[in-house]
Amino acid sequence: SQQGEEDPQALSIQEGENATMNCSYKTSINNLQWYRQNSGRGLVHLILIRSNEREKHSGRLRVTLDTSKKSSSLLITASRAADTASYFCATEMGDYKLSFGAGTTVTVRA
Amino acid sequence: GAGVSQSPRYKVAKRGQDVALRCDPISGHVSLFWYQQALGQGPEFLTYFQNEAQLDKSGLPSDRFFAERPEGSVSTLKIQRTQQEDSAVYLCASSLGARGTGNTIYFGEGSWLTVV
Repeated sequence: SQQGEEDPQALSIQEGENATMNCSYKTSINNLQWYRQNSGRGLVHLILIRSNEREKHSGRLRVTLDTSKKSSSLLITASRAADTASYFCATEMGDYKLSFGAGTTVTVRA
Repeated sequence: GAGVSQSPRYKVAKRGQDVALRCDPISGHVSLFWYQQALGQGPEFLTYFQNEAQLDKSGLPSDRFFAERPEGSVSTLKIQRTQQEDSAVYLCASSLGARGTGNTIYFGEGSWLTVV
């Protein structure tokens, strides 16, 4: 069963705009991770945020975590065509299992 | 190699046929995972190895699914008597440390299985 749920399911933006997607989960977590998946490819790890962190940055990515609301957001700033992909949040509850949501499909129009 | 390597990348199997999917993790990685990803969905956990020991197989959907990692490196996921519902992408992943907590997990490109 999947714990995470991304919102929206799909997002279409113009190049240069920001893209924001959200993830909600149900139970307590150790950490939350975001992954990118280009069409027909494997998953690429983007960023990990621990349960005691509230915000993290990596390049054009900004992730927030609100454990009281059991939610996280991923912001991609100044989007590029190469950012077109599906984005998944994954929660880690135990030692090793990742529970993924169904993903947000982002399309960046040139 | 530099990353997690999976083969075959694409497999079409007739219903009832057995298939074997291979995963070469990153050299030296202790943890190895298999996930199943149905079309339009996120990956779902199948099984976890720490070196050669299969510590968790709770996600394997039925006894037709079997995974092994006999020497603690290469792993094989075997599906016997394939059914149409087995059609999915099978993702292998590895991480350096035991039990993966907080370790970056590296995914392969996946093996795309279509059962006809």
